[in-house]
Amino acid sequence: KNEVEQSPQNLTAQEGEFITINCSYSVGISALHWLQQHPGGGIVSLFMLSSGKKKHGRLIATINIQEKHSSLHITASHPRDSAVYICAVRVSGTSGSRLTFGEGTQLTVNP
Amino acid sequence: EAGVAQSPRYKIIEKRQSVAFWCNPISGHATLYWYQQILGQGPKLLIQFQNNGVVDDSQLPKDRFSAERLKGVDSTLKIQPAKLEDSAVYLCASSFLETQYFGPGTRLTVL
Repeated sequence: KNEVEQSPQNLTAQEGEFITINCSYSVGISALHWLQQHPGGGIVSLFMLSSGKKKHGRLIATINIQEKHSSLHITASHPRDSAVYICAVRVSGTSGSRLTFGEGTQLTVNP
Repeated sequence: EAGVAQSPRYKIIEKRQSVAFWCNPISGHATLYWYQQILGQGPKLLIQFQNNGVVDDSQLPKDRFSAERLKGVDSTLKIQPAKLEDSAVYLCASSFLETQYFGPGTRLTVL
């Protein structure tokens, strides 16, 4: 079982819809990251969370530390939001801290 | 601010050949990461440098992969000899504090 599980794996929405992507993890973490990956490989960091909720434009990220769960919401979705969204958790170990990544959620927003 | 640079962007080789990738991190970023991302999966950390020292290489297949970061700036990742299962995107990232900035990646195809 992966330490980081995302759902759904694939998501297709119509422009304007409200979108939720979920991330569950099984280890103790110091922070959780949401990343966006466009075709061609470029990865952009969207949020880093250790508690509560953050908002940036149409994107909202929440985390529940007790339940080991985070959600990424996109309001008023647009075709340019089409990308892979990756959840990654920061886990501390003997070698320092390391990011462990989920497998990503492929989002397609149709016009 | 210039981003993380990687080259080449694409490489096609035959199995058992050698290949090297180059990464130039964002100026001033002490921490540099190499990730392997197989199609449909999230990135997997291969090696993490802090300046020119290795912090974590526990997931680096050391029989065929090597990496160095001379002078604590640029880094190279080498595979020798390559196997079919090494086909992936190799991502370099650098960080200041906890946010990682990713390069565009090198897409390696091993035939």
